Amino acid sequence: DIVLTQSPGTLSLSPGERATLSCRASQSVSSSYLAWYQQKPGQAPRLLIDGASSRATGIPDRFSGSGSGTDFTLTISRLEPEDFAVYYCQQYGSSPPYTFGQGTKLEIK
Amino acid sequence: QVQLQESGPGLVKPSETLSLTCTVSGGSISSYYWSWIRQPPGKGLEWIGNIYYTGSTNYNPSLNSRVTISVDTSKNQFSLKLSSVTAADTAVYYCARVPHSRRWYFDLWGRGTLVTVSS
Repeated sequence: DIVLTQSPGTLSLSPGERATLSCRASQSVSSSYLAWYQQKPGQAPRLLIDGASSRATGIPDRFSGSGSGTDFTLTISRLEPEDFAVYYCQQYGSSPPYTFGQGTKLEIK
Repeated sequence: QVQLQESGPGLVKPSETLSLTCTVSGGSISSYYWSWIRQPPGKGLEWIGNIYYTGSTNYNPSLNSRVTISVDTSKNQFSLKLSSVTAADTAVYYCARVPHSRRWYFDLWGRGTLVTVSS
């Protein structure tokens, strides 16, 4: 199984700042098949990014994804109050199981 | 606008079978893959398995011996059965859509339903 390790576990920032979230895979993720999700308390995850860098429909352009191989990054260029949430990466490039990272909590400083 | 809604018992006894249904509304269940994903309270996400509208499935190997996912196209529903449950199966269970064939990410999710395993 591909293990995804997200860092940091918690990121404390202020609105207006830039957030950089990391997702590292235990082995190369084929075809950059990596997605990012945002989850707020009591809600289902929401797809932000697929294919490592393609924003999903309706996602603001302050969200961007990059990376390949084993290292991927989600960047939020300028934090809005509604961006404070937990973020998960997920790989879907190998045979099952399709695995998620353990999450990064983005909290207001 | 396509929506997904999970339904089923919120409490299941240990060793029994957990059964949930996901109803797809606002669109057809055909031509897509559909998934079940779960999240234990306060923890991360775990993919359980996928089904195509034709009935083709694939499961997480860690759960494979206990999981069955089925589809009823006439009702626009797909279902999850997880047998021999223990407290470790307590989680919020989500159904979700796979938007592109064989690209196993999830673009549409139900609200989730909490299933507690307890006697």
